Amino acid sequence: SQTIHQWPATLVQPVGSPLSLECTVEGTSNPNLYWYRQAAGRGLQLLFYSVGIGQISSEVPQNLSASRPQDRQFILSSKKLLLSDSGFYLCAWSDKNYGYTFGSGTRLTVV
Amino acid sequence: AQSVTQLDSQVPVFEEAPVELRCNYSSSVSVYLFWYVQYPNQGLQLLLKYLSGSTLVKGINGFEAEFNKSQTSFHLRKPSVHISDTAEYFCAVTSSGGSYIPTFGRGTSLIVHP
Repeated sequence: SQTIHQWPATLVQPVGSPLSLECTVEGTSNPNLYWYRQAAGRGLQLLFYSVGIGQISSEVPQNLSASRPQDRQFILSSKKLLLSDSGFYLCAWSDKNYGYTFGSGTRLTVV
Repeated sequence: AQSVTQLDSQVPVFEEAPVELRCNYSSSVSVYLFWYVQYPNQGLQLLLKYLSGSTLVKGINGFEAEFNKSQTSFHLRKPSVHISDTAEYFCAVTSSGGSYIPTFGRGTSLIVHP
């Protein structure tokens, strides 16, 4: 069966520090991968999605970037965090039945 | 372009009472529809989905939803809720033949009181 791993679960980082959140998928090949942010406990904002290795589409211009170095690995990064980057970050993958499977999320607090 | 409207931001209900969470969508093409549940500090979990066929879809945890094309709705229902159903519920839509990227509603907070 397919599983998705996302870590860390919580993270507290100072303003101006770098960020790296990692997401990996098991049990499937060539998945579509996504990064979402959920602010203030409501609403989902699509940040990036990828349909293959090295292929990244950005939905919202911001302080973040994404990379897909391997087929089942998706990384969310920032060189310098802002206070506004705080939120709940969710990784997800989708299959041909157009359903999403989400990771357990990372709670990022920028202080 | 597609959009999703969840009409209620919060729905309080007593335990063992029935509940309906409303979802309306707009799209110029055929759609696929989903309901997800999110418990506090967790990711979203798929409750049920409508791709084609019967308009009444049954999901996990006793939930069901009915696709109504004429009213462009996909309301979620449960005949008797439990305290453990307290969570955030998200409706989502994708367009057939599109990019598979869903549009999510803003969510409905279901609060079940004892």
